[in-house]
Amino acid sequence: EVQLVESGGGLVQPGGSLRLSCAASGFTFSDNFMDWVRQAPGKGLEWVGRGRNKHDTDTTEYAASVRGRFTILRDDAKNSVYLQMDSLKAEDTAVYYCVVDYYDRSGYYYAADWGQGTLVTVSS
Amino acid sequence: DLQMTQSPSSLSAYVGERVIITCRASQAISTYVAWFQQSPGKAPKSLIYGASSLQSGVSSRFRGSGFGTDFTLTISSLQPEDFGTYYCQQYASYPLTFGGGTRVQVK
Repeated sequence: EVQLVESGGGLVQPGGSLRLSCAASGFTFSDNFMDWVRQAPGKGLEWVGRGRNKHDTDTTEYAASVRGRFTILRDDAKNSVYLQMDSLKAEDTAVYYCVVDYYDRSGYYYAADWGQGTLVTVSS
Repeated sequence: DLQMTQSPSSLSAYVGERVIITCRASQAISTYVAWFQQSPGKAPKSLIYGASSLQSGVSSRFRGSGFGTDFTLTISSLQPEDFGTYYCQQYASYPLTFGGGTRVQVK
């Protein structure tokens, strides 16, 4: 059974930093891409970014709203992915979900399993 | 960025009724569309990928279809556990983008 457990959320002041963690189990972590998706209170889903696997050179992609402030890091030895969030703004307040992507036989990766989410509140 | 326009934004339906939700992409994306269900207070759950492939363990009353720019999620016979919000997402190009969501409520 796939399990994704996020941690590290909490209250942080504007301009501050926070690192979210996602511990994965139940699948071969090193084979898969990993996404972060967020949901502001009462709003819809927003894709934050993606960390590719080593086979795809461990590169990353980000939404424009977080590029240059957020960094996705993977540790295949610990089956974990992290979201380093710097220069936080009030509009970053949201529940952050960790998502595992599986390979579509056509060559693309699609979101398959989700964690339970962790709440980040940016406020003074 | 590629936009996903979802409709309707909300609907009311009876248990047992057929429900159809649509998603239109701002440019052609083949079948690179996924659908998700979110019950109140819960994390999203994946239903469909590749426009029409059912995720493992998902009920066959959920059916996805479409190609290019127009996509549909059909719930053949709405059940009490199906009420919540549904989202489409395109994964053809970055940034990945979601539709605005469709809230399905009990009539």
